[in-house]
Amino acid sequence: DVKVTQSSRYLVKRTGEKVFLECVQDMDHENMFWYRQDPGLGLRLIYFSYDVKMKEKGDIPEGYSVSREKKERFSLILESASTNQTSMYLCASSLPGTGANVLTFGAGSRLTVL
Amino acid sequence: AQKITQTQPGMFVQEKEAVTLDCTYDTSDQSYGLFWYKQPSSGEMIFLIYQGSYDEQNATEGRYSLNFQKARKSANLVISASQLGDSAMYFCAMRGTNTGNQFYFGTGTSLTVIP
Repeated sequence: DVKVTQSSRYLVKRTGEKVFLECVQDMDHENMFWYRQDPGLGLRLIYFSYDVKMKEKGDIPEGYSVSREKKERFSLILESASTNQTSMYLCASSLPGTGANVLTFGAGSRLTVL
Repeated sequence: AQKITQTQPGMFVQEKEAVTLDCTYDTSDQSYGLFWYKQPSSGEMIFLIYQGSYDEQNATEGRYSLNFQKARKSANLVISASQLGDSAMYFCAMRGTNTGNQFYFGTGTSLTVIP
């Protein structure tokens, strides 16, 4: 019954490394999102995509990029990881439009940058 | 701009009692949706309940109900008959028509159920 899968649950990387966080959904959703979650700050939107090869910046895109080559896959890329990018990263997907189309989340990827 | 405010960083409730988690929002959209999610210690976000801005009745899902007061822009979550498994972080979220497909989240409330 897995719907949104994030490839790594825990990662430890070094400052300056390039980091890929992969997310795959099997619900044929058009919209996909990457959030960052930090204590006391809630969930902050990094990037989102509403179609293949389309991407939109969220509230905190600096230091991140994304790739969506296929509908089911949305990758978050940290070109040069820094310690302030240590966080929990949550991928989510939804159907388009408004109304009761809920966000379905993956289990999260906890990244530590040393 | 959309904004969600959850003013209770932490809450405690006795098992079997009811608890209300507060959520206020700010939006200029006429049509929007309000959502509550639960995040247990395992980390996965679980959808609980949805309320549309034009829905006249408060949403209910089992032990969860959403106390929607449109004029006050509040969408409080009520959990009845609390269980130990309800201990988790709870997030209020909103999506408006003018923001397309974006969801905006509050900072969350940590609920602890005491046996």
